[in-house]
Amino acid sequence: GAVVSQHPSRVICKSGTSVKIECRSLDFQATTMFWYRQFPKKSLMLMATSNEGSKATYEQGVEKDKFLINHASLTLSTLTVTSAHPEDSSFYICSARDSLYYEQYFGPGTRLTVT
Amino acid sequence: GQQVMQIPQYQHVQEGEDFTTYCNSSTTLSNIQWYKQRPGGHPVFLIQLVKSGEVKKQKRLTFQFGEAKKNSSLHITATQTTDVGTYFCAAMGGNEKLTFGTGTRLTIIP
Repeated sequence: GAVVSQHPSRVICKSGTSVKIECRSLDFQATTMFWYRQFPKKSLMLMATSNEGSKATYEQGVEKDKFLINHASLTLSTLTVTSAHPEDSSFYICSARDSLYYEQYFGPGTRLTVT
Repeated sequence: GQQVMQIPQYQHVQEGEDFTTYCNSSTTLSNIQWYKQRPGGHPVFLIQLVKSGEVKKQKRLTFQFGEAKKNSSLHITATQTTDVGTYFCAAMGGNEKLTFGTGTRLTIIP
């Protein structure tokens, strides 16, 4: 199947700093990528849909100024958690959908810890 | 918004026993997908069901889509330790968005 990478896999940052997470589709082009958040032992919650060349669309309750999304190319989307706080600590997972197929391919996730 | 519930939330089975997880939606679904997430890992696509009453098999896994397209099930026959993980159903909505179910965490007792 298709491969999606995320970087970094783990990050620890201090409260008030910003963290950027990269999501790359390695062997296919993705006009649309998705960002999810997952709390321990919980389901995945869609945060936003990242569209190449246009603004991301955010789900209700997700602050767009807090979670900045940029989809600069057909293979890269970035999520920046700005002015992080301990409550932002979570597992962030991206996914991408190859336009030729219907399933979404998930990245390995980024575990963010804000101290 | 769309809600997708799964039961049970947890399931502990003896190795070799069967396992079933059920997925129920508040609305009629155009299709349903199933994913498996191993502990510490990310979701991996298993299958998609589209047709009313559809049944698909993958070795020991059997997937069903209800006649009314509001529910689905995943059945594993003769579980193995490699089946450990959380199984999620996910409903595809507009703009390709997936709404994930609450998940069923399966643990196997060797």
